[in-house]
Amino acid sequence: DTGVSQNPRHKITKRGQNVTFRCDPISEHNRLYWYRQTLGQGPEFLTYFQNEAQLEKSRLLSDRFSAERPKGSFSTLEIQRTEQGDSAMYLCASSLYPRASYGYTFGSGTRLTVV
Amino acid sequence: KNEVEQSPQNLTAQEGEFITINCSYSVGISALHWLQQHPGGGIVSLFMLSSGKKKHGRLIATINIQEKHSSLHITASHPRDSAVYICAVDYGGSQGNLIFGKGTKLSVKP
Repeated sequence: DTGVSQNPRHKITKRGQNVTFRCDPISEHNRLYWYRQTLGQGPEFLTYFQNEAQLEKSRLLSDRFSAERPKGSFSTLEIQRTEQGDSAMYLCASSLYPRASYGYTFGSGTRLTVV
Repeated sequence: KNEVEQSPQNLTAQEGEFITINCSYSVGISALHWLQQHPGGGIVSLFMLSSGKKKHGRLIATINIQEKHSSLHITASHPRDSAVYICAVDYGGSQGNLIFGKGTKLSVKP
C-alpha cells in the first residue's frame, strides 16, 4: 500500500469553474476525511465517510461542495462555481475505526488556486 | 476561539538545540496527535497519545491529561526538522474528526 494518495497535487482554475479532487485512502481503512487548510491555519474539518456513508458535514461545506465515496474506497470532492475564497489546500486522511494505534494517515493534499 | 492552542507560533533554533513545542486543549479528549507538515503540504503523523510519553528517535511527546497539555520535544535539532508541527485532538465523539491547532513553524539554522 502506498499510503493515502491525492490527485491532482495542484489545480489552478478560473472563478466560476467546477473542480474535482480525488483521494485514494489506505485500502483497509474504513474512514475517510476531508479537511481544508488556508495559509497560516491548521486544517479544518469538512466531511467524513465511514465506508460509503457520509456521516457528517461541516457548516464550512456549502451547497457548492459535494463529496462522494461510492464504493467505500476512493472519494471525490467537487466544488462547483469556484470562488476565490475556495483557494486552499484540500487534505484527505483515512483511518481504521475503531481507532487503531497508528491513528490517521494523511495524503499530500491538493492545492487549489482560484484566479 | 480555537479549542487547541499551540505555542510558540514561530520558533527559530540553532542546529543541535533542544526544542519544545506546547499544546493546550480545553476539554477531555480520547487522543492527541502530533503531526509534521513540510512546505509541500503533506502531513505526516508523528505520534498519537492518550497518556504518558512516547519516543521515536529524537522526538519525544508527552501528555498530561489532568492539565490538558501536551509537549513535543526535539533533541539535537537538525535543519531537516524545519517544518510546521501541528497538534490535533480527538474528542472521541461518534464523528471521530480531529480539531487542529494552528501549528508551530520551526526553522532550524545550521
